[in-house]
Amino acid sequence: EAGVVQSPRYKIIEKKQPVAFWCNPISGHNTLYWYLQNLGQGPELLIRYENEEAVDDSQLPKDRFSAERLKGVDSTLKIQPAELGDSAVYLCASSLVEHTEAFFGQGTRLTVV
Amino acid sequence: DAKTTQPTSMDCAEGRAANLPCNHSTISGNEYVYWYRQIHSQGPQYIIHGLKNNETNEMASLIITEDRKSSTLILPHATLRDTAVYYCIVRVVYNQGGKLIFGQGTELSVKP
Repeated sequence: EAGVVQSPRYKIIEKKQPVAFWCNPISGHNTLYWYLQNLGQGPELLIRYENEEAVDDSQLPKDRFSAERLKGVDSTLKIQPAELGDSAVYLCASSLVEHTEAFFGQGTRLTVV
Repeated sequence: DAKTTQPTSMDCAEGRAANLPCNHSTISGNEYVYWYRQIHSQGPQYIIHGLKNNETNEMASLIITEDRKSSTLILPHATLRDTAVYYCIVRVVYNQGGKLIFGQGTELSVKP
C-alpha cells in the first residue's frame, strides 16, 4: 500500500512568487495534517482536516497561506506571496479518525531566494 | 498542552540497548505519550505510544513511570539505521481526532 505522497519533493522560488504543495494521503484516512519544519526544529502543525473540514487552522498564517481539501481526499497548501522566511520543509500526514498513528510523507523542501 | 523535555543528543554503541528518556511532568490523566523518530531527510515515523502501561512492539518498548511524569523509549539492539531524531510527544486529544505537538527531540547517534 502506498504511503502519504507529496509533491514536489523540492521547490526553489523567488520571493513574492506563489507556490503550491500537493498531498495525497493514505487511502481511507479521514484526517490530514500539514506541518512546517524549520531546520533543526520539530514539525509545527499548520492545519488539520477531518474529511474536508478544517478543524484546526489556528497556526496557519492566513494572510499568505491557504489550504484546501476537496472531496476529503487530496490536499493542497498554497503560499502567496512567498517570503524568505518561508524556506522550510512542509510535511503532510494522515491518519484514520479512530486511530492514533499518523503517517507522514517525505515532505517538500521549499527554498525562497 | 503538556510539554516534554528530552536530552538534546545521545550516543549508543551498535548492538547495545538505547534508552531515551523523556520528562512530561504536567501530563494529564487522559493524555497519551507518543514516540516518533525522523531519519535525515525523511518524514517522521511512528514508533509506539502508551497511556499508563508499558508497551512493546516490533520496534521498541515504552516504559512509563507509575506517576506518568516520565517515560523511556528502549531500542533493545540499536543498529546504525536507528540513528535519527527521536521525538517524545504528549498527544492532545480534542474534537474528533488529536494533535501531535513536536518538541526539539533527541538526536540519537548509533556508533559502530
